Amino acid sequence: AQTVTQSQPEMSVQEAETVTLSCTYDTSESDYYLFWYKQPPSRQMILVIRQEAYKQQNATENRFSVNFQKAAKSFSLKISDSQLGDAAMYFCAYIGGANSKLTFGKGITLSVRP
Amino acid sequence: EPEVTQTPSHQVTQMGQEVILRCVPISNHLYFYWYRQILGQKVEFLVSFYNNEISEKSEIFDDQFSVERPDGSNFTLKIRSTKLEDSAMYFCASSGQWNTEAFFGQGTRLTVV
Repeated sequence: AQTVTQSQPEMSVQEAETVTLSCTYDTSESDYYLFWYKQPPSRQMILVIRQEAYKQQNATENRFSVNFQKAAKSFSLKISDSQLGDAAMYFCAYIGGANSKLTFGKGITLSVRP
Repeated sequence: EPEVTQTPSHQVTQMGQEVILRCVPISNHLYFYWYRQILGQKVEFLVSFYNNEISEKSEIFDDQFSVERPDGSNFTLKIRSTKLEDSAMYFCASSGQWNTEAFFGQGTRLTVV
């Protein structure tokens, strides 16, 4: 069974600084996708970034980038130039193989200090 | 930009009552999902739906739950006899392709009293 682990429950970053959120996963599949979702206080789930496992190049979306280490099954999210609006819960998620569902980690609460 | 829409945003119901949560997925999407999130906990998969039938369901999705796509646009989740532990945020999601990202609605907060 696939599992997604986010071992840090909370992190804090100074505005304009860079922060990295960690995620590891376990799967026996070779073809899968990984995602980071943001959940602000409104509780809506917003897709931040996606990574296809077959791509070696790390995905980037503006200030958000990932460090995808397939052999280590690690998928961290880097937020550059942190902004107050980045404060939220961030969930790492996996989908792949014959499953039709997303498997989520427990999430990490990110606070941004002004 | 197309989005998934859920109604109502908040529903309060008495234990034992039936509730129907409604969703309008993104119009050209083919795969539909319900997830739930108990306050402060992780997001849990309930059910996936494709081609007018359930593709996969979790152990949470027991006989009290059902899903339906009554017309070409709506996708509903029915809970037949609500329990206190059904109180949670329920998210509808849709995707355009198999095993890719899902786009989520804003959620329905269900409170069972």
